[in-house]
Amino acid sequence: ETGVTQSPTHLIKTRGQQVTLRCSSQSGHNTVSWYQQALGQGPQFIFQYYREEENGRGNFPPRFSGLQFPNYSSELNVNALELDDSALYLCASSLVGTASVSYTFGSGTRLTVV
Amino acid sequence: AQSVTQLDSHVSVSEGTPVLLRCNYSSSYSPSLFWYVQHPNKGLQLLLKYTSAATLVKGINGFEAEFKKSETSFHLTKPSAHMSDAAEYFCVVSSGYDSWGKLQFGAGTQVVVTP
Repeated sequence: ETGVTQSPTHLIKTRGQQVTLRCSSQSGHNTVSWYQQALGQGPQFIFQYYREEENGRGNFPPRFSGLQFPNYSSELNVNALELDDSALYLCASSLVGTASVSYTFGSGTRLTVV
Repeated sequence: AQSVTQLDSHVSVSEGTPVLLRCNYSSSYSPSLFWYVQHPNKGLQLLLKYTSAATLVKGINGFEAEFKKSETSFHLTKPSAHMSDAAEYFCVVSSGYDSWGKLQFGAGTQVVVTP
């Protein structure tokens, strides 16, 4: 089975710009979640997508948005980038509906906002 | 509501000695608990998970954790540390129907292994 793939691995953007990060879920998984990990901190839940709809959101402003596609891949979009958005963005896929849910993480996209 | 507290931000051990990483949690519902490891510039790798089955959970690379409901703890142990265990470790909780997918991470414990 394939794992979770994220692209790009690294990205540098200027404050005020917009960015799109991509995630391919593990084969057979139907749910994708996004996390932001600032330097020296644990990952923070941004939101989750199930059946192509947002299903749960953390404490992040609306300029963080996402999409889930029919093949369960996903995008994270961030508008009006701020310096504090610099972080490692992690995608996790899971199969909801089973007795024991497991989450598989990608290696992340390192975003630097300058 | 759910939260996780990792009691040590840094742990230093000698190679071959036991490792103990402490984690306390709070949850409104029966929780699922996980330990993840993150090596430098890498993603997160699942070490083990507890989902209401056996309270002593065995994971990969010789790690195990014990779920103690009375103490709301889920400490991670390994009998003998290896140099390759040097990494950041995260205790994670997920609980309740309305929280599936929303993993609450602790702040992490940095493990240093000395020869």
